[in-house]
Amino acid sequence: KNEVEQSPQNLTAQEGEFITINCSYSVGISALHWLQQHPGGGIVSLFMLSSGKKKHGRLIATINIQEKHSSLHITASHPRDSAVYICAVTSNFGNEKLTFGTGTRLTIIP
Amino acid sequence: DAGITQSPRHKVTETGTPVTLRCHQTENHRYMYWYRQDPGHGLRLIHYSYGVKDTDKGEVSDGYSVSRSKTEDFLLTLESATSSQTSVYFCAISEGQGPYEQYFGPGTRLTVT
Repeated sequence: KNEVEQSPQNLTAQEGEFITINCSYSVGISALHWLQQHPGGGIVSLFMLSSGKKKHGRLIATINIQEKHSSLHITASHPRDSAVYICAVTSNFGNEKLTFGTGTRLTIIP
Repeated sequence: DAGITQSPRHKVTETGTPVTLRCHQTENHRYMYWYRQDPGHGLRLIHYSYGVKDTDKGEVSDGYSVSRSKTEDFLLTLESATSSQTSVYFCAISEGQGPYEQYFGPGTRLTVT
């Protein structure tokens, strides 16, 4: 089974700061997903990537397949970015189900 | 937003009672999933479906059963609810298996007293 580790578990930053959340996994994957969950809210897919880098607005996701590592960056952070960010991977063997990390709780202070 | 609804959104029930949660989609996606989310754990797969009447177990399937009689509906049943099944339950859908995005429903908060 793929093990997914996220760091940090909790992150508090001031508005405007550059944010980095990390995700590492243990075995080969066919895709890595970044998800966002607001307090009391549903889960939204931000990115799915299998190589390189993707950008959407102020969010950037990168992946290094050789190092089994991905990062989610938020530029010019805003209080509305406060949420739990979840990394998940689809292994490229076995039953190809999603394995989830436990999430990073991000709080942006105005 | 993907058209996924869950019902009920909140439920409190007593130990030993049966409970059924419903997931409904309007996207005609083939795959549907039930997850539970608990503090300190990532989302964990309970059961999934790859078509009408085609279902399989996930990693935490004990105490749960599912049914899918129509493409749009996926039911999760707790035959005899226990306090350990207090959790938030999420339904998700995807077009395929493997590297496909999953779209999540709003969740159902279940409390078993």
